[in-house]
Amino acid sequence: TQLLEQSPQFLSIQEGENLTVYCNSSSVFSSLQWYRQEPGEGPVLLVTVVTGGEVKKLKRLTFQFGDARKDSSLHITAAQPGDTGLYLCAGGGWTGGFKTIFGAGTRLFVKA
Amino acid sequence: DSGVTQTPKHLITATGQRVTLRCSPRSGDLSVYWYQQSLDQGLQFLIQYYNGEERAKGNILERFSAQQFPDLHSELNLSSLELGDSALYFCASSPGTGEKLFFGSGTQLSVL
Repeated sequence: TQLLEQSPQFLSIQEGENLTVYCNSSSVFSSLQWYRQEPGEGPVLLVTVVTGGEVKKLKRLTFQFGDARKDSSLHITAAQPGDTGLYLCAGGGWTGGFKTIFGAGTRLFVKA
Repeated sequence: DSGVTQTPKHLITATGQRVTLRCSPRSGDLSVYWYQQSLDQGLQFLIQYYNGEERAKGNILERFSAQQFPDLHSELNLSSLELGDSALYFCASSPGTGEKLFFGSGTQLSVL
């Protein structure tokens, strides 16, 4: 069974601080995505990474895919209250059809 | 707005009852996915349809069933409802294999 473990589960920081959240698995994924979810809404895709070692930047967010394609990290520089939300990593792979499974998420709260 | 429409937004029902959740995918997307999100289980993959055919199955109970119609909208049927079925049910769509999922706003199901 493929599992994605995210850490930390909860993070509360002050505006302006930097943070990194992690997504780890013992399985290899063909691609990995990061989503952000706000209360009462569905997850919104932030980025997809497909190549081992790949680094993608989205404004103040930096996403990295591990060389072995089993893990990923999300680094936020100078966090803002608008970054508050649930960050989910998701891995895609072929196991009886293409399935995308999600980690439990990191709940981030950025205080002004 | 993701372009994925889910109805109803909220549903309150009693144990033993049957309900139907509806999803209209983004225009042009052929794949529809159903996920269940609860506080203790996170976002769990239930089932995927592609152009009317079942493509992948996850942790879907036998009491649950789904289908995708020729106009590509999908329905998730939940029967013999139990208290533990109370959760947010999300539908997502994608153009192809699922590396980029676009989620609806979900249906909050409460079983009393």
